[in-house]
Amino acid sequence: KQEVTQIPAALSVPEGENLVLNCSFTDSAIYNLQWFRQDPGKGLTSLLLIQSSQREQTSGRLNASLDKSSGRSTLYIAASQPGDSATYLCAVRRVGTTDSWGKLQFGAGTQVVVTP
Amino acid sequence: DAMVIQNPRYQVTQFGKPVTLSCSQTLNHNVMYWYQQKSSQAPKLLFHYYDKDFNNEADTPDNFQSRRPNTSFCFLDIRSPGLGDAAMYLCATSIRLYPYNEQFFGPGTRLTVL
Repeated sequence: KQEVTQIPAALSVPEGENLVLNCSFTDSAIYNLQWFRQDPGKGLTSLLLIQSSQREQTSGRLNASLDKSSGRSTLYIAASQPGDSATYLCAVRRVGTTDSWGKLQFGAGTQVVVTP
Repeated sequence: DAMVIQNPRYQVTQFGKPVTLSCSQTLNHNVMYWYQQKSSQAPKLLFHYYDKDFNNEADTPDNFQSRRPNTSFCFLDIRSPGLGDAAMYLCATSIRLYPYNEQFFGPGTRLTVL
């Protein structure tokens, strides 16, 4: 059974510092991994999607790496801003079988606060 | 802009009183999903539709039902809400089931049960 863990559950950094968010998963048989942002009381916004054949993906200040063999992904946010305050969730898409069809398995998220 | 819309954004119901949550999409995606997310927890998949084909997760309570009358709309019906059903309900869509089925989420409906 795939388990996705995000540690720490909460993180506070001063503005300008780089953010490093961790995601680990127990089964390396994944198609891809997706990082989401969730603002309080809101839905999920997709940030980055990394295919299993890729080692990293970049978008602006965001960079996500994937090490499938060790079951880890890291999301880096450069030069953090107060507007980056949110909960960040990772989700892995399992390789399809007769009963899993590649469904998303989420971590519980890391709540980030960037202080001015 | 193409998007996933959920109505209402906030819903208050009484214990045992049926409630329906709505999701619509302008993306013309084949697949629609319903997730339940309780506070500080990971979203939990309840069921999904691939076109008109309904797929229920094994641990989704019978109290939860869904309807998809057409490609654009999907409804979540909670027949007899209990206090434990208070949560954020998220609707998502994707073009296909897998493997590269990036999911796009709506803003969610926050359900309160009194």
